[in-house]
Amino acid sequence: NAGVTQTPKFRILKIGQSMTLQCTQDMNHNYMYWYRQDPGMGLKLIYYSVGAGITDKGEVPNGYNVSRSTTEDFPLRLELAAPSQTSVYFCASRFQETQYFGPGTRLLVL
Amino acid sequence: GESVGLHLPTLSVQEGDNSIINCAYSNSASDYFIWYKQESGKGPQFIIDIRSNMDKRQGQRVTVLLNKTVKHLSLQIAATQPGDSAVYFCAEGSGGADGLTFGKGTHLIIQP
Repeated sequence: NAGVTQTPKFRILKIGQSMTLQCTQDMNHNYMYWYRQDPGMGLKLIYYSVGAGITDKGEVPNGYNVSRSTTEDFPLRLELAAPSQTSVYFCASRFQETQYFGPGTRLLVL
Repeated sequence: GESVGLHLPTLSVQEGDNSIINCAYSNSASDYFIWYKQESGKGPQFIIDIRSNMDKRQGQRVTVLLNKTVKHLSLQIAATQPGDSAVYFCAEGSGGADGLTFGKGTHLIIQP
């Protein structure tokens, strides 16, 4: 199993641009999560999904959107990038209580 | 606000010594606790977990202790090695769909 994969690894965006962060898992997990991690901080939950077709807001959802059309994929969309969205983004899938993380996408908004 | 936190942002230990990383939590309803290791430029990696019906769990070179009376969690790493250098996060959960709540992390530095 490849586990949780994320693309791209790194991206620079201009203010107002949009992009989609991709996340895929091959473990057939129903639960998936998106977090952001700011420097020196822990992980903050953006959105989560308990299965295909179901998504819910986390702690910091503003400025983001998600979709879950398949069990495997959980993309995160930024519509109008802002400097405050400069961060490292981690996707995770969950088996029982344990979450398994992807390698992250580093995003810089200038 | 955060319901889990760590007492020290940085912990420096000698190679070969034992490391103890501490974590406090405030949510009495939490019944699952987990430690993650995050190396520079990588995603968090599962180390060990414990449920609230236990007070100790051991893995390979790692032990997690849970004190529910004072809402305290610790991670002990035996015979610390250079490869243990990383940021360690504790997280807590109560079985909800929204998953885990993470603390800020402790940076473990290994001195030769």
